[in-house]
Parts: sequence; C-alpha cells; structure tokens
Amino acid sequence: GAGVSQTPSNKVTEKGKYVELRCDPISGHTALYWYRQSLGQGPEFLIYFQGTGAADDSGLPNDRFFAVRPEGSVSTLKIQRTERGDSAVYLCASTAGGSTDTQYFGPGTRLTVL
Amino acid sequence: AQSVTQPDIHITVSEGASLELRCNYSYGATPYLFWYVQSPGQGLQLLLKYFSGDTLVQGIKGFEAEFKRSQSSFNLRKPSVHWSDAAEYFCAVGVFGNEKLTFGTGTRLTIIP
Repeated sequence: GAGVSQTPSNKVTEKGKYVELRCDPISGHTALYWYRQSLGQGPEFLIYFQGTGAADDSGLPNDRFFAVRPEGSVSTLKIQRTERGDSAVYLCASTAGGSTDTQYFGPGTRLTVL
Repeated sequence: AQSVTQPDIHITVSEGASLELRCNYSYGATPYLFWYVQSPGQGLQLLLKYFSGDTLVQGIKGFEAEFKRSQSSFNLRKPSVHWSDAAEYFCAVGVFGNEKLTFGTGTRLTIIP
C-alpha cells in the first residue's frame, strides 16, 4: 500500500470495555511498531514485531494490553478492561527491517475512554 | 537508558524568519537521531536522520540539523520558515540493536504573518 493505515481513526468506548485497534503496515515491511501518544507528550514505545513474533514488548504498560501479528503483516493492538487513563492516540509504524531503517508512521487511532 | 529533552514547548516565528528548535539527548554512546514533524490529523513524517558521518544533515522541506557530540545536541534549523511549517516537531533517539525510538515531548511551532 501507499502508506501505513490504521483503523478506526477514532474510537470512543466506555470504561471497562474491550477494544481492538488495527494497523496495516506498508506492503513488504517486516518490522512493525506500536506507540502511544498522550496529550501534550511525544510518542511512547509499546511493542515491536519482527515478522510474526513480538521481539520487544517492554513498553506495554500492563497485562491489559496485548498485540498480535499472526501472518506477519496486519497487527492488532488489544486493550482489555479499558480505563480512562488509556485515552490517547495509538500510533503504528513500519520499516523494511533493521534499527537504522526509517520508521513510517500511520495517522493513528484516537482512543477515548469515557 | 536513552532520553531526549526538547526545552521549548512552544515557539512563535514570523514567516520568512529563521528557525532553530533545540534537542538534547542523553546516551552513553553515539545514538541515532531523528526529527519528525506532525501536522494536525497527520502521521509523523520524518524530516531527517543522523546515523554517522557528516554531522550536518540535510532533510526535506529545507530543514537541516547538526549533531554536536560535545553538547549532546541535535538542533533543527531552517533559514526561512513558511506558513505551512506550522506543526509539532519531535526529536527522537534510537540505539543500535534496540529497535524502539525514544521521543521528546515536542515543540509546537506557530508561524505569524
């Protein structure tokens, strides 16, 4: 595809509900990243995939957060029992692979937990 | 662990004036350094990056940045800003062998006529 796409662009949910956020990386990109950007802050790393496996999930804040990438392309970030503090813009990025490659970011999903 | 500081939360510049956005990093070895721009409703777009070699890096849209190891800085510059440069600018640091980027808190740039 032309770029990284994320769906939905906006998601409003109630406290305690379960949400899934989807990321479609650039075609052929093997590495995929999730970041979270809270209001007035820079993006914070959540998790990194190389292929199908999570190579680094050290940024996931707690066990309510989980991400998968079953076929090495599309990734889904899953948040259980959402809390108001989870409200943020969730960004996805992809690269062709390697730490020196440019990370290309999607437009993000704005999650609001009421 | 690496960290990034952007001391200026908000900067206002007149159109046509020069611009410098400050970025300081903390890391024991030579980091990889990046500047990204984020416009409202848009994803982060890479302006330029530094990995090694020439410490003055040219980017897109007329931006440049200079890596100064002695000052642990990677300031972004543009000789003459345009109204379309109004956006949020983020400095980020990466480390070889560690895939994640660490971002600063950003500098919001406002352009006045």
